[in-house]
Amino acid sequence: NAGVTQTPKFQVLKTGQSMTLQCAQDMNHEYMSWYRQDPGMGLRLIHYSVGAGITDQGEVPNGYNVSRSTTEDFPLRLLSAAPSQTSVYFCASSFPGAGVQFFGPGTRLTVL
Amino acid sequence: GQQLNQSPQSMFIQEGEDVSMNCTSSSIFNTWLWYKQEPGEGPVLLIALYKAGELTSNGRLTAQFGITRKDSFLNISASIPSDVGIYFCAGRITSGSRLTFGEGTQLTVNP
Repeated sequence: NAGVTQTPKFQVLKTGQSMTLQCAQDMNHEYMSWYRQDPGMGLRLIHYSVGAGITDQGEVPNGYNVSRSTTEDFPLRLLSAAPSQTSVYFCASSFPGAGVQFFGPGTRLTVL
Repeated sequence: GQQLNQSPQSMFIQEGEDVSMNCTSSSIFNTWLWYKQEPGEGPVLLIALYKAGELTSNGRLTAQFGITRKDSFLNISASIPSDVGIYFCAGRITSGSRLTFGEGTQLTVNP
């Protein structure tokens, strides 16, 4: 099992550009989520999904879109990147109600 | 949203020392988790706690689910250089999957 995979590992964008961060898992987990990590602020939930076709907002959803067309994939889209979105982004997955989430290796995003 | 207060924010210790860190919440949680994050990596689960009062060990690590269900503690005994990293607590308030994370404790171990 590859677990949770994320691409790219690093990305630099200019303000206003759009991009999609990819996340995939091969553990047949129904629950998937996106977090951003900023210094001294822990992990903050952006969006999550409890299954294919179902998504919901987390704590800091503004500026981000998600979709869940398959159980395996949960991409995160930045429609118009802003410097405030400079952060490290983590995708995680779990069985529903399991509590324990498994994390990907992260994408380090810089917006200039 | 829910708030988890994790302390201390950072620790600088000598190899061989014991370490303690904790998380407190204003809300009752039904699950507490402790994760470790090494530089450039995602968080990795260390210990999961599901019952108030539960005490669970994983090698040199011991974690406890507080009796009030509003706090949790992580202890590391006889620290070694590879213990360096950021330790996060996380709590789950309902039977769903959503977690709330503490701000993290940055641990530095001097050989």
